[in-house]
Amino acid sequence: AQSVSQHNHHVILSEAASLELGCNYSYGGTVNLFWYVQYPGQHLQLLLKYFSGDPLVKGIKGFEAEFIKSKFSFNLRKPSVQWSDTAEYFCAVNLRTGTASKLTFGTGTRLQVTL
Amino acid sequence: NAGVTQTPKFQVLKTGQSMTLQCAQDMNHNSMYWYRQDPGMGLRLIYYSASEGTTDKGEVPNGYNVSRLNKREFSLRLESAAPSQTSVYFCASSPGQGALGYEQYFGPGTRLTVT
Repeated sequence: AQSVSQHNHHVILSEAASLELGCNYSYGGTVNLFWYVQYPGQHLQLLLKYFSGDPLVKGIKGFEAEFIKSKFSFNLRKPSVQWSDTAEYFCAVNLRTGTASKLTFGTGTRLQVTL
Repeated sequence: NAGVTQTPKFQVLKTGQSMTLQCAQDMNHNSMYWYRQDPGMGLRLIYYSASEGTTDKGEVPNGYNVSRLNKREFSLRLESAAPSQTSVYFCASSPGQGALGYEQYFGPGTRLTVT
């Protein structure tokens, strides 16, 4: 079964610091990759996605992620975080199969940005 | 365009009681999903429906049943609630089925407590 690992469970950064959150997945087939964000008390929102093409994808709010197929990784980055980026971040993967696109989520990384 | 809506927002049940969580989407999506979110465990898929008239088990289906009432609506039923089902439940939908996976759009969630 495929799995998704997010190694950083809780990250604390000062405003303006750079961010990189790790995501690794276990499946070697053709996958789609996503990062979702959940602000306190809210539902999940899509930050960015990778289906194919340029492995460096840009999302909303200045976030980007790089797909490195050889490392089974899809790390999330932001050059300068803001206090409003405080949230929980989830990496997710689904397989390209002929059936519904079931997502497998990582356990999440809680980001706390301090002023 | 409301996206994905869920009712109720909050619910407290006693052990053994039953209830149905409602979900509806107005995006004409084919696929719908139910997840539960527990601290430190990310989101886990309970059941999904690739298309109207079909449902399949996900990772943690025990204790739950679902109904895909029509293309818009997908309900989750707890027949005999247990404290282990205390969680936040999210419904999601995605546009397609078939060879390509699609991002999922999430509802606001239902916070369920079973005492």
